[in-house]
Amino acid sequence: QKEVEQDPGPLSVPEGAIVSLNCTYSNSAFQYFMWYRQYSRKGPELLMYTYSSGNKEDGRFTAQVDKSSKYISLFIRDSQPSDSATYLCAMSGSGGSNYKLTFGKGTLLTVNP
Amino acid sequence: GAGVSQSPRYKVAKRGQDVALRCDPISGHVSLFWYQQALGQGPEFLTYFQNEAQLDKSGLPSDRFFAERPEGSVSTLKIQRTQQEDSAVYLCASSPRREPYNEQFFGPGTRLTVL
Repeated sequence: QKEVEQDPGPLSVPEGAIVSLNCTYSNSAFQYFMWYRQYSRKGPELLMYTYSSGNKEDGRFTAQVDKSSKYISLFIRDSQPSDSATYLCAMSGSGGSNYKLTFGKGTLLTVNP
Repeated sequence: GAGVSQSPRYKVAKRGQDVALRCDPISGHVSLFWYQQALGQGPEFLTYFQNEAQLDKSGLPSDRFFAERPEGSVSTLKIQRTQQEDSAVYLCASSPRREPYNEQFFGPGTRLTVL
């Protein structure tokens, strides 16, 4: 079993829909939780990061972390065709090796106009 | 401003050839990382530099992989005697701080195909 599990999709939604993306993890040492967006043939782009549990909102994006369930989510409101990309969750621990990001496989999202 | 740049963007190598992949981090960024992304997978950590010091190379798959950052800016990932399983996108990332490390800015990657 991988440390971080993410449903690869693909996920297809109509424009304007609310999108929910999720990851589960097994390593209780993870303290930093990130969501990256990766367009085809591009590098990952950091969308949001959260330290420990809780919610964080940035425009149309909301990140949630539930450490008790080892479950993180990214919600996208009013989705746009330009949101079509692969979304990667990533995590790292605190302490000596917190630089080392562990990624999920990524979920491929298509928003249809 | 300029982001992380990588060259070449695409590289085709015959099995057994040596390759060198270059990363130019964002100017002034202290930390530099290399990741390997296989098709349909998330990136996997290879190695980490803080300035010119390679502090972690635990993710390098074999001793055929070697990375350096001699002057604390540009980095090169070298793969000797390439094998088909080395085919992947190699991503470089940089970060302005030593801690926390989570804000890593990625380059576009080098797509390596080994025939």
